[in-house]
Amino acid sequence: ETGVTQTPRHLVMGMTNKKSLKCEQHLGHNAMYWYKQSAKKPLELMFVYNFKEQTENNSVPSRFSPECPNSSHLFLHLHTLQPEDSALYLCASSQDRGGGNIQYFGAGTRLSVL
Amino acid sequence: GEDVEQSLFLSVREGDSSVINCTYTDSSSTYLYWYKQEPGAGLQLLTYIFSNMDMKQDQRLTVLLNKKDKHLSLRIADTQTGDSAIYFCAEGAVSGGYNKLIFGAGTRLAVHP
Repeated sequence: ETGVTQTPRHLVMGMTNKKSLKCEQHLGHNAMYWYKQSAKKPLELMFVYNFKEQTENNSVPSRFSPECPNSSHLFLHLHTLQPEDSALYLCASSQDRGGGNIQYFGAGTRLSVL
Repeated sequence: GEDVEQSLFLSVREGDSSVINCTYTDSSSTYLYWYKQEPGAGLQLLTYIFSNMDMKQDQRLTVLLNKKDKHLSLRIADTQTGDSAIYFCAEGAVSGGYNKLIFGAGTRLAVHP
């Protein structure tokens, strides 16, 4: 148990559905991240929240909408996704400090878009 | 630019040593990291090394850092079947005033009897 919990673990959705991924960290960290992991591609950083403020959005399509209500919770709202969005979505958290950034990951949500 | 490169596959016999190599580009990286991903799981931090160190040892794991060549390696002694996984190298970088990690594509380690 890494202290970062993601739900659900698996999700199947149609292209017209709306769903949300949830991430919760129990480590007292001040930064949280969403990554996308597709087959045969490097890990892609999607969003970063630092002290609840979004500090990075890596040109992610608007059909992905993050929300960080507090430093312990992070959501990824999904709507009108495409089949190519099928991937493992990983959440991570860290205590952001000068020079170091050890990120702790959740187990991920395996998303399949039909 | 920031880039981290690793070989994609490594196959070793059980009991032998495994060496996974990585090159990175950002010479200002303060820390470099190794993560492990088992099937169906997230990334697990294995170890990390501060950039002013040449070597770090932690039980069966040895990390070597050649800062001049921007080369990082992970050696696993007495490799076991439970070590079969994907190993990611990552470098720390600063962007927009905050820290982030740049990951390699991962090296798939297969351990056979």
